[in-house]
Formats: sequence, structure tokens, C-alpha cells
Amino acid sequence: EDQVTQSPEALRLQEGESSSLNCSYTVSGLRGLFWYRQDPGKGPEFLFTLYSAGEEKEKERLKATLTKKESFLHITAPKPEDSATYLCAVHTGTASKLTFGTGTRLQVTL
Amino acid sequence: GAVVSQHPSWVICKSGTSVKIECRSLDFQATTMFWYRQFPKQSLMLMATSNEGSKATYEQGVEKDKFLINHASLTLSTLTVTSAHPEDSSFYICSETSGNYGADTQYFGPGTRLTVL
Repeated sequence: EDQVTQSPEALRLQEGESSSLNCSYTVSGLRGLFWYRQDPGKGPEFLFTLYSAGEEKEKERLKATLTKKESFLHITAPKPEDSATYLCAVHTGTASKLTFGTGTRLQVTL
Repeated sequence: GAVVSQHPSWVICKSGTSVKIECRSLDFQATTMFWYRQFPKQSLMLMATSNEGSKATYEQGVEKDKFLINHASLTLSTLTVTSAHPEDSSFYICSETSGNYGADTQYFGPGTRLTVL
């Protein structure tokens, strides 16, 4: 059974304090790993898709990386508006189903 | 990315009534849509996969007679919660993808908050 584990569960940063979120996975045949951002009471917002180990993608203050066992979401010099829950999901098999981790709740304070 | 809308954004109903939630793809034809539910401070749990023109595929443990899914067109899927009870209160979110295979990105709707009294 595919498993996705995210850590830490919650993270509190000061504005400008860079850090990384972790997503470790145990799957058979990874076809893609996704990062989403979810604000309270809203649906997840797509951030990145990573397909193979060694791949990296960046968007503003966020950078996602992928190895054979885990993915990291690096946040550089975060701002309060980066506060949200960050979700990691994996796509395996032939169907387009996603298996989600439980998320990391990020709070960035002034 | 793709734009997905849901209606209503929130609904309150009495126990025993049925509630229909609509999920619309606004900018492309979605061959596959997914329905998720999310309890407070928990992650998304896939309920079913909805394919246009065919029966939905339900995940283990999800009652197909209670959660009726219809995907009548490439832009609309509906989820009907029949005979709702308080334990059905949750945040329901749909998503769409343009393909059936491969690591296609899923784009999510804004969600529908269902409260059953």
C-alpha cells in the first residue's frame, strides 16, 4: 500500500527564516509527486509536479526537490502570506489517483 | 492551471435530506473528475473517480448508494449525498484532470462545506 508521510506536522517561522518541509514516500512505481498549498476553508492550490529523482522546480520563494525516497519543499525568506498547509501527494499505477500526506501547517510571523 | 468551480460553497441541511454538490470545469473538458472529503485538520481522502459517460469508481469503504456521482458531461460532475446524517458533515472537494493515464496534474475546486444538523 502506498504511504506518504509529511514532517513536521506544524512549523512556525519568523519572516525571513528559511526552512524545508519533508515528504517521504513508500510506493511501488512512482509516476509523479505533487505539492499543493491549502488555505483554511479552501481547496488545494497546485504548486509543483516532480517526475524523477534529481528533478527540481522553483516558484518565487519555493523550491521543490525529489529523490528516490523523499521530496523537500524549501521555503526561502518566507513571508506571512506563505502561511498555509502544504500537502504532498503521489501518483502511482495506471489510474490518475493521488495519495495525500497529512500536510505541514506552516505559520510565518512578523 | 485549470479552473474548477463548486456549488454551493456551503450548505446546511437537516438529517435525512439529500444534498447535491456540483463541480464544473470552466476552461477545459475534463474526462476524469475526482471527489474527496476532508475532515478538520486531516488530509484529503479520495471517495470516488468520476469518468464522463460511465459509472464512477468508488474507493473501498465508500457507500456508492449513499454518495451518488453523475458525470453527464465533460464539464460537470455532481455528488449527491443521500439521506445525510451528522457524520456526513465534512468538506467535500472535487478535482479534475485532462487525461486518464500518466501523472496528470489534478486541479481542485474551492470545496463545499456540508453541515448536517
